[in-house]
Amino acid sequence: AQRVTQPEKLLSVFKGAPVELKCNYSYSGSPELFWYVQYSRQRLQLLLRHISRESIKGFTADLNKGETSFHLKKPFAQEEDSAMYYCALSGRGNTPLVFGKGTRLSVIA
Amino acid sequence: SAVISQKPSRDICQRGTSLTIQCQVDSQVTMMFWYRQQPGQSLTLIATANQGSEATYESGFVIDKFPISRPNLTFSTLTVSNMSPEDSSIYLCSVKVQGEKDTQYFGPGTRLTVL
Repeated sequence: AQRVTQPEKLLSVFKGAPVELKCNYSYSGSPELFWYVQYSRQRLQLLLRHISRESIKGFTADLNKGETSFHLKKPFAQEEDSAMYYCALSGRGNTPLVFGKGTRLSVIA
Repeated sequence: SAVISQKPSRDICQRGTSLTIQCQVDSQVTMMFWYRQQPGQSLTLIATANQGSEATYESGFVIDKFPISRPNLTFSTLTVSNMSPEDSSIYLCSVKVQGEKDTQYFGPGTRLTVL
């Protein structure tokens, strides 16, 4: 069965500190992994996907198949990073996303 | 990418009534989905909206409670039937776009409150 686990419900860091939001997954095949972000009063939006190997707003995430993890990292947190972050998994093709429970990141000035 | 609109954006309804939510996309999409986000919770998939045929429902969701239509590639409706306060949630339309493999986009959501 597909499952996405985000162990931290809330993560508070100081501005300028490094951030790591954890995500582990369970999937029998080769999944596609994503991070979505939801800022206050805004719609859910795609932050990044593992196949693109990109860095968006300073965030990166590396898929570790051995540890079945896809942790989201940023070296220096900014106040505007405060939001709800969701890790999500999809099988190939037309299968829909399965979401983790989300982690609320709070960056303290 | 895709621009997704939903109507209504929010509504307050009485117990026992029904509400139909519309989802319109500005581009050709391969797949359309409906999710629910209960207060303080993550997103849960309700169903996949199939063009011209019955939707595919996830465990715990049934057609009588959440009838779905998808008459064409860019439009779908979700009805929440015989509502109770437990149906108070945000309902989100989501799509996969042709040519953007595996990426899903989300609508702004419909915030439903049932009294």
